[in-house]
Amino acid sequence: GNSVTQMEGPVTLSEEAFLTINCTYTATGYPSLFWYVQYPGEGLQLLLKATKADDKGSNKGFEATYRKETTSFHLEKGSVQVSDSAVYFCALSGVGSGNTGKLIFGQGTTLQVKP
Amino acid sequence: EADIYQTPRYLVIGTGKKITLECSQTMGHDKMYWYQQDPGMELHLIHYSYGVNSTEKGDLSSESTVSRIRTEHFPLTLESARPSHTSQYLCASSGLDKETQYFGPGTRLLVL
Repeated sequence: GNSVTQMEGPVTLSEEAFLTINCTYTATGYPSLFWYVQYPGEGLQLLLKATKADDKGSNKGFEATYRKETTSFHLEKGSVQVSDSAVYFCALSGVGSGNTGKLIFGQGTTLQVKP
Repeated sequence: EADIYQTPRYLVIGTGKKITLECSQTMGHDKMYWYQQDPGMELHLIHYSYGVNSTEKGDLSSESTVSRIRTEHFPLTLESARPSHTSQYLCASSGLDKETQYFGPGTRLLVL
């Protein structure tokens, strides 16, 4: 079936370190891929998305490239800040007949950034 | 910025009580969703709706029920709350860009 797998957390980094959170997926067809972020005590916010192979989504210094050949959508940021501490979710959508809009989420990766 | 609201934000209630979690959106979105988020942060889809008078069960079985009488409103009801219902409940909606979901702030439910 369709699924998303993220690297396990928590990921703990010092401020200004480079961030990578790995995400791989299994899907039939050509899904769209998303990264959502959840700050403490809040709901999820869309961080970035990519709708086709080789697309790069970017926002707030974060980037992710849709790699069809490796079925991956890894999230990266060159220099993290304490304010980036949150839970990050990788998700896919648009798979199967009739785009139902349902998202399939990974299990979430907690990022802790220390000053 | 999306406009989707959930009330209450926090609820502590005793076993056996009936509760309704409210979710409203002002964007005119057709699709709405309810997720249950466990302490490990994993999200589980429990209900969704494609429009007025449309409701479907999600991927995770839930004892809750939903209704969609108006486009903007998608309440979730538990007829008899139990401690196993303790969780965070997140509501979301999507519109013309049907793949992008916008989330409310969530309701944290504690059943004693």
